[in-house]
Amino acid sequence: RKEVEQDPGPFNVPEGATVAFNCTYSNSASQSFFWYRQDCRKEPKLLMSVYSSGNEDGRFTAQLNRASQYISLLIRDSKLSDSATYLCVVNKDNAGNMLTFGGGTRLMVKP
Amino acid sequence: EPEVTQTPSHQVTQMGQEVILRCVPISNHLYFYWYRQILGQKVEFLVSFYNNEISEKSEIFDDQFSVERPDGSNFTLKIRSTKLEDSAMYFCASTTGRSYNEQFFGPGTRLTVL
Repeated sequence: RKEVEQDPGPFNVPEGATVAFNCTYSNSASQSFFWYRQDCRKEPKLLMSVYSSGNEDGRFTAQLNRASQYISLLIRDSKLSDSATYLCVVNKDNAGNMLTFGGGTRLMVKP
Repeated sequence: EPEVTQTPSHQVTQMGQEVILRCVPISNHLYFYWYRQILGQKVEFLVSFYNNEISEKSEIFDDQFSVERPDGSNFTLKIRSTKLEDSAMYFCASTTGRSYNEQFFGPGTRLTVL
C-alpha cells in the first residue's frame, strides 16, 4: 500500500465550480498534515496545513480524519488560477522531520 | 520575502561524472532537506540535515550521495558517479524546526544525465 495515496485525476471543472480532493495515508504515526500546490515544473508551495478540527482559508477547506487516516481538500468557486497539481503531504514528526508526498491530484479549471 | 535559492537551474552531465547541486536555505532556518522528483512521479525525500549532521536519509540516498554545509549559508548535494536514473528535479528545502512548520522549497535544479 502506498504511504500517501491520491487520485491522480485530472479533474476538469468549469470556473466557479466546487471540487473536492481526497487522500489516504498508511502510517498511523503521522503527526502533521499539509496540502501543497505544485505548478508545472515548479517547486511545491504550501497551500495550507490540516488540523483535526478542520480549517478554512478563504475558498479552501481542509479536513482530517485520524481514525480513517483520511485527508480532504475542498475548493469553492474555482478560479482559472487554481489549475495546478495538489499534493497531499504528511510528516511523521520523527527526528528527520521528513515529508512524505502523495502523487498529486491534477486540477484543470476551464473558462 | 526570504526564499530558498538553488544553483544551477539546469545541469547536464555525462554518466559517471560527479555533480554538486547548491542551495542557500533561508537564513534563520535550522533544518535542511533534499528531495527529488523524477519527471511524472511524486516528490521523494532524500535526506535531512540538522546541526551539521544527517538526521535521516532514505533508501535512495546511498553511498553515491553526500551532503555538506561548507559555510554558514550554503547546503550542497553531491552525487559522486551519476547514473541515468539520477535524472530528476532536485529540490532543496528548509524550515525553522518543528514538524508542523512549513518547509520552504527552492525552485529546483533539473539534472539531466546522458
